[in-house]
Amino acid sequence: EVQLVQSGAEVKKPGEPLKISCRGSGYSFSSYWIAWVRQMPGKGLEWMGIINPGDSDRRYSPSFQGRVTISADKSISTAYLQWSSLNASDSAMYFCARPVAGTFTYWGQGTLVTVSS
Amino acid sequence: IQMAQSPSSLSASVGDRVTITCRASQDIKKYINWYQQKPGKAPKLLIYDASNLYTGIPSRFIGSGSGTDFTLTISSLQPEDLATYYCQHYENLLFFTFGPGTNVALK
Repeated sequence: EVQLVQSGAEVKKPGEPLKISCRGSGYSFSSYWIAWVRQMPGKGLEWMGIINPGDSDRRYSPSFQGRVTISADKSISTAYLQWSSLNASDSAMYFCARPVAGTFTYWGQGTLVTVSS
Repeated sequence: IQMAQSPSSLSASVGDRVTITCRASQDIKKYINWYQQKPGKAPKLLIYDASNLYTGIPSRFIGSGSGTDFTLTISSLQPEDLATYYCQHYENLLFFTFGPGTNVALK
């Protein structure tokens, strides 16, 4: 069974760094891209970027380029989303998802990030 | 490419036929998917490539359209269908755009 399991909720202060994770299981992790999607409180879904865990090739949405970094460690079947310095507007639910032929068939359960002083 | 979705919200009764529309800013052929999201949960795929019903999804969910205009129809609304629905376009399999969503509530 394909599963994407994300790390737990985080509470951080503005200016702090953060790295959240998404571990894949039940399939060949290196063979499928992993995407990250943001959902701010009460708002819609926003695609942030995508990575190929096999060779770390990645693409970013223009809205998120330079603001976050997506990475992956195929040896432990895990993808990451990280910020070097959080601000309050980064407070959101973050989902990882595995697209196949452009379709997000599998999703993680979400990681809630709260940034507050 | 921008995706406009309408209405932003609607209220309907159980058994009603519900229609949600997604319009692309340019021809996207059939590169559009539809998702259902309930509060606090990850989105769930309903329809892929405009009109294909995903495995395990009830047949009351119907997708149609091509080019710039697409429709998700719920033929007979059920209580468990109360949720927010999103269209999603993909480009070159690596770039994605979601519509703003349609909240479906009970009248």
